[in-house]
Amino acid sequence: QKEVEQDPGPLSVPEGAIVSLNCTYSNSAFQYFMWYRQYSRKGPELLMYTYSSGNKEDGRFTAQVDKSSKYISLFIRDSQPSDSATYLCAMNSGGYQKVTFGIGTKLQVIP
Amino acid sequence: DTAVSQTPKYLVTQMGNDKSIKCEQNLGHDTMYWYKQDSKKFLKIMFSYNNKELIINETVPNRFSPKSPDKAHLNLHINSLELGDSAVYFCASSQGAGGNTIYFGEGSWLTVV
Repeated sequence: QKEVEQDPGPLSVPEGAIVSLNCTYSNSAFQYFMWYRQYSRKGPELLMYTYSSGNKEDGRFTAQVDKSSKYISLFIRDSQPSDSATYLCAMNSGGYQKVTFGIGTKLQVIP
Repeated sequence: DTAVSQTPKYLVTQMGNDKSIKCEQNLGHDTMYWYKQDSKKFLKIMFSYNNKELIINETVPNRFSPKSPDKAHLNLHINSLELGDSAVYFCASSQGAGGNTIYFGEGSWLTVV
């Protein structure tokens, strides 16, 4: 079993839809949870990070962490064609411990 | 003004050759990384340096040798290249133990033929 599981997609949605992206993990030591966006042939860019359980909102993006279920989510409201990218979840246990990435979910928002 | 820059962006080379990828960051960070993204898009850490000191060294063949001349630079040298080394290599940086806020470069596409 991989430490971090993420459905690679692709996920196609119409413009304006609410998108839900998810990851599950097995390592209960993980405390920091991140979402990165990666456009084609570019490096990943950090979208959001949260510490421990709870919600965090930034504009159209909301990150949720449920540590009891070892499940994290990223919601995108009013999705735009410019949101079309691969979204990678990532997590670590803090300090200088390595960050473990999911495989990424490829999202396409259709105009 | 690029925060994490790496060169070359594209590299095609023959098996058995030795090649280097250079990385520089102007964010003032003290921790730098090399990540490898394979054909399945899986992103895995290779090395991490903090203030020029190696702190993470994943199970990477000895043919890969990172070098950090100062905390703003982390280069990757690869000896005796193999077909399986074909991948995208990303340099990245963060401040301190801030592994949760990593800034990535644009990537170096390495193809071994």
